Amino acid sequence: NAGVMQNPRHLVRRRGQEARLRCSPMKGHSHVYWYRQLPEEGLKFMVYLQKENIIDESGMPKERFSAEFPKEGPSILRIQQVVRGDSAAYFCASSLGLADSTDTQYFGPGTRLTVL
Amino acid sequence: RKEVEQDPGPFNVPEGATVAFNCTYSNSASQSFFWYRQDCRKEPKLLMSVYSSGNEDGRFTAQLNRASQYISLLIRDSKLSDSATYLCVVNGQAGTALIFGKGTTLSVSS
Repeated sequence: NAGVMQNPRHLVRRRGQEARLRCSPMKGHSHVYWYRQLPEEGLKFMVYLQKENIIDESGMPKERFSAEFPKEGPSILRIQQVVRGDSAAYFCASSLGLADSTDTQYFGPGTRLTVL
Repeated sequence: RKEVEQDPGPFNVPEGATVAFNCTYSNSASQSFFWYRQDCRKEPKLLMSVYSSGNEDGRFTAQLNRASQYISLLIRDSKLSDSATYLCVVNGQAGTALIFGKGTTLSVSS
């Protein structure tokens, strides 16, 4: 039973390029969350998606960042015109979306983005 | 005030020691509480959920005090493999974002 999968695991981009991060949730999970962990910082929520819907994007920077979770295929976090400050570990988590406190988010291995 | 605050650490303890981590949260409406473990440069992994009645899993005991908005984790008989960063995590309600503390680093030495 595969867990949450993310790719690529490491991504190097030059300033101004685009970065695309992919996340495939655990089998049976339809809820996806993206978090960012800056160096020496805690994880910060970015966006919460269900299939074809953005439920909460309150943690997303207003510009250059977007996310989608299409009907088919993985969830994509897209960063346009990357800057050095975007260098971080980006973690995806998935859950069943249970409507009670037993709902648990499981994390993928993360994508480490380095902007040169 | 930060949403989730933890002991700054690091904690350096010998094998076999008992160590306790504390955490406070600011949102009294928080519904779910967890301890995650994060090894260096890896993803967070759920260690245990925390319930109002307190709960135990082997050498690990978690406590929640809703009135004080305080969460704790006790590790007994520390092992070298317990060395990691322990993250206190709070969830407002099911299906919402997790709010992470910055973590407390534990180093267990022989």
